[in-house]
Amino acid sequence: DSGVTQTPKHLITATGQRVTLRCSPRSGDLSVYWYQQSLDQGLQFLIQYYNGEERAKGNILERFSAQQFPDLHSELNLSSLELGDSALYFCASSVGVLHTEAFFGQGTRLTVV
Amino acid sequence: SQQGEEDPQALSIQEGENATMNCSYKTSINNLQWYRQNSGRGLVHLILIRSNEREKHSGRLRVTLDTSKKSSSLLITASRAADTASYFCATYGSSNTGKLIFGQGTTLQVK
Repeated sequence: DSGVTQTPKHLITATGQRVTLRCSPRSGDLSVYWYQQSLDQGLQFLIQYYNGEERAKGNILERFSAQQFPDLHSELNLSSLELGDSALYFCASSVGVLHTEAFFGQGTRLTVV
Repeated sequence: SQQGEEDPQALSIQEGENATMNCSYKTSINNLQWYRQNSGRGLVHLILIRSNEREKHSGRLRVTLDTSKKSSSLLITASRAADTASYFCATYGSSNTGKLIFGQGTTLQVK
C-alpha cells in the first residue's frame, strides 16, 4: 500500500459528461501529480501541484482541470468527455516539488461510452 | 516526446535468468528513477540513482547510470515469475519544475 488513495476505482460515463477524480496523498507529502495512461499514449504527465500551487503542466487538455485543496487532497475534473478520454488516471504524491521519488495510487479506470 | 526511452519494448526470459533493460534520456538530470507496474495497477518506485552516482544496488536490482551517454540500465538478477511487470524509467528533466516524465516502458515476462 503506497498510502495514496484514489477514488473511485472505476467510472463508466457517457460522452459529453463531466467527472471528478479524487486523490488523497500520503501523509506529509506536499506534491501531487496526475497522469493519464492509455495503451497508445503510454504514461502521460498531466499536471503537478505543490502545497496548493500549480508547479508543472504537461499536455493537459483544456477540458481537463485540477486543483489541490488546503488539506492537500487533489481533484482532477474531466469535462465534455470523449471516447478517447477512456484511460487509467493515476495520482502520485511526493514530499518535495522535484528530485524525489513519487508514490502512486492504484488509479481510476475511466470508461467513456 | 518522452524524456526517457526504454529498450527493449518487450523481454521474455526464463525464471532464474537475468533481465536487463535500458533507458535513454535527452536532457541533463538530477537523478533517474526506475518504477515497476504490475498489469493495470499503480507504479511502484524501485530505485533512484543520482547524477553523481554510477551504480546502485537494491536487493536483486542493479542500476547503472552513464550521464555522458545519457543512459541507464536496470538489471534484475535471478528473475522470478513475480518479476513479470512493466518497468519504466523516469526523470525530472532539466527544467526546474516538477514534471516527472516516464518512458514508454519495458514489458518483462518471466516464464
